Amino acid sequence: EAQVTQNPRYLITVTGKKLTVTCSQNMNHEYMSWYRQDPGLGLRQIYYSMNVEVTDKGDVPEGYKVSRKEKRNFPLILESPSPNQTSLYFCATMGGDGYTFGSGTRLTVV
Amino acid sequence: GESVGLHLPTLSVQEGDNSIINCAYSNSASDYFIWYKQESGKGPQFIIDIRSNMDKRQGQRVTVLLNKTVKHLSLQIAATQPGDSAVYFCAENPYGQNFVFGPGTRLSVLP
Repeated sequence: EAQVTQNPRYLITVTGKKLTVTCSQNMNHEYMSWYRQDPGLGLRQIYYSMNVEVTDKGDVPEGYKVSRKEKRNFPLILESPSPNQTSLYFCATMGGDGYTFGSGTRLTVV
Repeated sequence: GESVGLHLPTLSVQEGDNSIINCAYSNSASDYFIWYKQESGKGPQFIIDIRSNMDKRQGQRVTVLLNKTVKHLSLQIAATQPGDSAVYFCAENPYGQNFVFGPGTRLSVLP
């Protein structure tokens, strides 16, 4: 089954404590992306990757890092999380039919 | 489940009626459009897509209409069922650029 797997599903952390949200896909897609979803704002792109070792900023990249060392994985890194990064995060890949999204990661930064 | 949009426009329809969800897109260069459905606690799921060389496309119980003149997209759901309750949003793809997602509409199906 084609899947995009994110972990963890829920995370509560404190300000400044580095964290990583993992994303893995089994569809061999070259394109992967991270979005955050906030009430009334819809999905906003954080970073995307066209292929291995190629990453680019999306619309809201501040405070985030990504890496793409291999095709299947695209982790999202928050070096020093702040409360304004409390959000629902989605990883996605893109193939011929548009996006396939993961199930989401609910992050709360206190 | 997760609340994905506390301040979204809401459409309430009676079970069995048809639903029409609208979306205004912003970029006249967009040539590919997708409708997504997002249920509580889940990621968005592909419903149907349409390219700019078409003005209508039909799927199973769903129809997408595209009016490029006024940059308007609609999703019609026939015989709406309780399982159709979700947030629906459109995405546009300006040629050569990333997808841009709309804020979404919450569909509530009344028994």
